[in-house]
Amino acid sequence: DARVTQTPRHKVTEMGQEVTMRCQPILGHNTVFWYRQTMMQGLELLAYFRNRAPLDDSGMPKDRFSAEMPDATLATLKIQPSEPRDSAVYFCASGRGGSWYGYTFGSGTRLTVV
Amino acid sequence: SQQGEEDPQALSIQEGENATMNCSYKTSINNLQWYRQNSGRGLVHLILIRSNEREKHSGRLRVTLDTSKKSSSLLITASRAADTASYFCATDGETSGSRLTFGEGTQLTVNP
Repeated sequence: DARVTQTPRHKVTEMGQEVTMRCQPILGHNTVFWYRQTMMQGLELLAYFRNRAPLDDSGMPKDRFSAEMPDATLATLKIQPSEPRDSAVYFCASGRGGSWYGYTFGSGTRLTVV
Repeated sequence: SQQGEEDPQALSIQEGENATMNCSYKTSINNLQWYRQNSGRGLVHLILIRSNEREKHSGRLRVTLDTSKKSSSLLITASRAADTASYFCATDGETSGSRLTFGEGTQLTVNP
């Protein structure tokens, strides 16, 4: 089965450090999302790309978060500087076209900022 | 805020019993989807129901949609211990441009 690959699976970093999370969407999928999951807030949409163009990043704290798709096989989410409140599981998901086939999620990056 | 609200928040049943989870949402939708999340894993797409459909089946899953009440239910029949997971509804709103908004989830425990 095709899968969305996220790296790293786990990351522990100190406050103030830069964190980069990577995602390889399924080949042929042109829609990519970044979600963040916490116990308090549930699943929050951070960023949304279609055909590598950012369509919505309104869910991201702009001063510290950035999301890019340098090519069709790689999406990145960066946090600089990281803060303890950024501790969460970050998921990447991909799909083709609209939502009519559902989306495939990666296994997530569990980020802990100490 | 979450578009979908699910109840119950937690459900514990015995193997072989049926499990029903409900989801309510606030705005008009193109479709509603259900996802499963096992502990420590990503979400897995289970089933999608379009706004013009009322009921859909897939294996042991049955989904209903009532757009007049803005609600959906997921029924898992003849549950198994392996069904233990969190279940989330997600909506693609008419104005959301294919973005999914997730509910808070129902934690289902199926006891052997």
